[in-house]
Amino acid sequence: GNSVTQMEGPVTLSEEAFLTINCTYTATGYPSLFWYVQYPGEGLQLLLKATKADDKGSNKGFEATYRKETTSFHLEKGSVQVSDSAVYFCALNRDDKIIFGKGTRLHILP
Amino acid sequence: GAVVSQHPSWVICKSGTSVKIECRSLDFQATTMFWYRQFPKQSLMLMATSNEGSKATYEQGVEKDKFLINHASLTLSTLTVTSAHPEDSSFYICSARDIVGSGYTFGSGTRLTVV
Repeated sequence: GNSVTQMEGPVTLSEEAFLTINCTYTATGYPSLFWYVQYPGEGLQLLLKATKADDKGSNKGFEATYRKETTSFHLEKGSVQVSDSAVYFCALNRDDKIIFGKGTRLHILP
Repeated sequence: GAVVSQHPSWVICKSGTSVKIECRSLDFQATTMFWYRQFPKQSLMLMATSNEGSKATYEQGVEKDKFLINHASLTLSTLTVTSAHPEDSSFYICSARDIVGSGYTFGSGTRLTVV
């Protein structure tokens, strides 16, 4: 079936560190891939997306590239800020449904 | 951009009572709305998909008589938790897809606490 696996958290980094959150997926065909962010006490916000292989989604300094050969969509940011502290969800869209990974909690220390 | 308003943002109710959660698309028409449930420190689990004017489609294991979903218009879907019990306490989030199917917008969620 369709599923998303992302690295377990929490991830704790110092401000200005490099961030990678790994995400791999299992799906039939070619799903669209997403990263959503959930700030404390809030709902989900779309961070970025990619709809086909080799597409790179980017927003607010975050990037992720749709890698069909490795079925991955890792999230990266070159220099994190305290305000990036949140829970990040990798997700795919298949058969008109969004399937989420378990989420990775990110703590950024000043 | 597209905005989905979810109300209330939090609610506390007594065991055995029913609670209604509303999800409105403010500036677009949503043919399809989705309801999710999120347990603490876990992912969002899709509960049901509702299409305007038709019955909701529930995911396996979700009690349709307990979680009543109504999608009476292109801008409003409601989730009613009937005869709520403490184990129903959770964070419920709705999502709406616009009429052209170009994107999914999430509400800000409702934290339900049943005491």
